Parts: sequence; C-alpha cells; structure tokens
Amino acid sequence: ETGVTQSPTHLIKTRGQQVTLRCSSQSGHNTVSWYQQALGQGPQFIFQYYREEENGRGNFPPRFSGLQFPNYSSELNVNALELDDSALYLCASALNGGGAYEQYFGPGTRLTVT
Amino acid sequence: AQSVSQHNHHVILSEAASLELGCNYSYGGTVNLFWYVQYPGQHLQLLLKYFSGDPLVKGIKGFEAEFIKSKFSFNLRKPSVQWSDTAEYFCAVNARRNAGNMLTFGGGTRLMVKP
Repeated sequence: ETGVTQSPTHLIKTRGQQVTLRCSSQSGHNTVSWYQQALGQGPQFIFQYYREEENGRGNFPPRFSGLQFPNYSSELNVNALELDDSALYLCASALNGGGAYEQYFGPGTRLTVT
Repeated sequence: AQSVSQHNHHVILSEAASLELGCNYSYGGTVNLFWYVQYPGQHLQLLLKYFSGDPLVKGIKGFEAEFIKSKFSFNLRKPSVQWSDTAEYFCAVNARRNAGNMLTFGGGTRLMVKP
C-alpha cells in the first residue's frame, strides 16, 4: 500500500509568483485535505476536497485554491506569493465513508518565498 | 471557532521517566480527538484517536490518552519514555458537525528524552 506522496519536496519562489503543489492520496482514499505549517507552529487547515469538490475551507484568502482529480490526487495553487507563505505544506488523505475518520499525512513540501 | 491548547511547548525528560502532555480544546459539541507525532525528519503519524466509547484510548508505542469531557481535555501519557520518543507531539480536534472535517491542531510540544 502506497502512502501519501507530495511533490516537490522543496521549492523556492519569489514574492508575487505563483506555485502549484501536488499530492497523491493513499490508495482507496477519496478525500484530500491541505494544511499549512509555519515554523514552530501546528498545521493550519487550508481546505479539503471530497469527490472533486471543495468540502470545507479554513481561514485562507482566495489566492489559495485547489483541485482534486478523478483519481483523487490533488493540487494546491497559491497566487501572488507573499513572504508569509513560506511554510511546510502538508497534504492528508482519508477515506470518507460518512462517519468519523482519520487522516494520513504526506511528508510535505517546504516552500520558501524570497 | 474551535481551538486547541497544548500547555507545554518544550519538555525534557530522562529515559524511563513518565510523560504527560496536556491538551485542552474549546468546542461545546461532539468531537473527535487525535494525537499525532512528528519524529525528526519524518512526516506526521497518528499515535491514537478517540471517536466514541471508552474515554481511555491506547495507541501505538505504549502511548495512551484520556478524554475527560467535563474538562475539555485529552492528555497524552506514557509510563516510561525512551530516547526514541524524542519528537514533536500535536494534539488535534475535529468537530463532527464541521463541514470538511477539518482538524484543528495545537501548537505542538517538543519532547526531548535524554539517554
């Protein structure tokens, strides 16, 4: 069973640029969530996708957007990058069967904005 | 909005000492509770979870946690820590009615176990 994978591992961008981060969910999982983890802090929820539709969003501006594909993989897009966007971006997948469920995290993408 | 507080930011223990990490949340409804661990250089891994039933839950590697609803707490415990338990520990809460089942994390507790 393959776990959650993310690409790239590290990324350096300049303020104002756009970035796309990718996530492959664990086999059989239909739900993907994205989190931002700033240095020294706990992860913060950005949004979640379930069956290709956004299924909840945290307190992040619209320049953070996402997609989920038919194979349940997902992308996180961030436009107009700001210095404060520098963080570890985590993807988590889960099998949403209608009840409580646990999320499985990938290794993350470390984004540095200069 | 729900929030999670982890009172200890850094904890240093000697091997064989007992561990208790505090976690309190603010949300009046039904919750799912989790403890995740992040070992150095590794990704977040689930230690244990509480959905319902027995409020004392056992997880991997000898960890356990007790859900005390009246105190809005979900403290993590281990009777005897090992050097390999050195890691950062995160408590997380999911409000069941919350669209998207988002996890709200605490700020984390960095545990160092001295050999």
